[in-house]
Amino acid sequence: GESVGLHLPTLSVQEGDNSIINCAYSNSASDYFIWYKQESGKGPQFIIDIRSNMDKRQGQRVTVLLNKTVKHLSLQIAATQPGDSAVYFCAERQAGTALIFGKGTTLSVSS
Amino acid sequence: DTEVTQTPKHLVMGMTNKKSLKCEQHMGHRAMYWYKQKAKKPPELMFVYSYEKLSINESVPSRFSPECPNSSLLNLHLHALQPEDSALYLCASSQAGTGGDTQYFGPGTRLTVL
Repeated sequence: GESVGLHLPTLSVQEGDNSIINCAYSNSASDYFIWYKQESGKGPQFIIDIRSNMDKRQGQRVTVLLNKTVKHLSLQIAATQPGDSAVYFCAERQAGTALIFGKGTTLSVSS
Repeated sequence: DTEVTQTPKHLVMGMTNKKSLKCEQHMGHRAMYWYKQKAKKPPELMFVYSYEKLSINESVPSRFSPECPNSSLLNLHLHALQPEDSALYLCASSQAGTGGDTQYFGPGTRLTVL
């Protein structure tokens, strides 16, 4: 089965709110994690990544948090906008293998 | 330039047809990938080419045949497909040849098999 999954298949927020999308992974040997955003009809778009020697990384309006103790990854989006509406996938790398994608969370932003 | 291009954007084919999907990147990446994605599901890895050699084949049926003519191009040849093969086919590339680093995706080819 998949070792990477997301807690909620859908998340609905109001414009301007902060969004938190969660992901759990099962392999403690995973050393690299990526968040992708996929809009309808498009390919996945790289958002942000984090290596296992870090616990937080910030980008523009996005922050990824990694908690290796409980094997949990989250993506925080500040001041969510309608353009953030998409499916978000986390992916993990287990040493020596290709990326493994989680199930995805659909984020819906209403104005 | 972090662009991966794919052609065609849409493809409709019959079960007896032969067609090809094309992918191109000019980022100097040494690994290229084919994924299949069904609606509301994550991408499923099909093939990985590393330094122009097939390094991973995820037990894909032989009606899908990948080809890597050079380091910038990746093709997927299709023959005798089934309706259940209808999906979005994504190409991706990454800098290293290990398959586990950041992959950049193309827009995909929406394939419909009648």
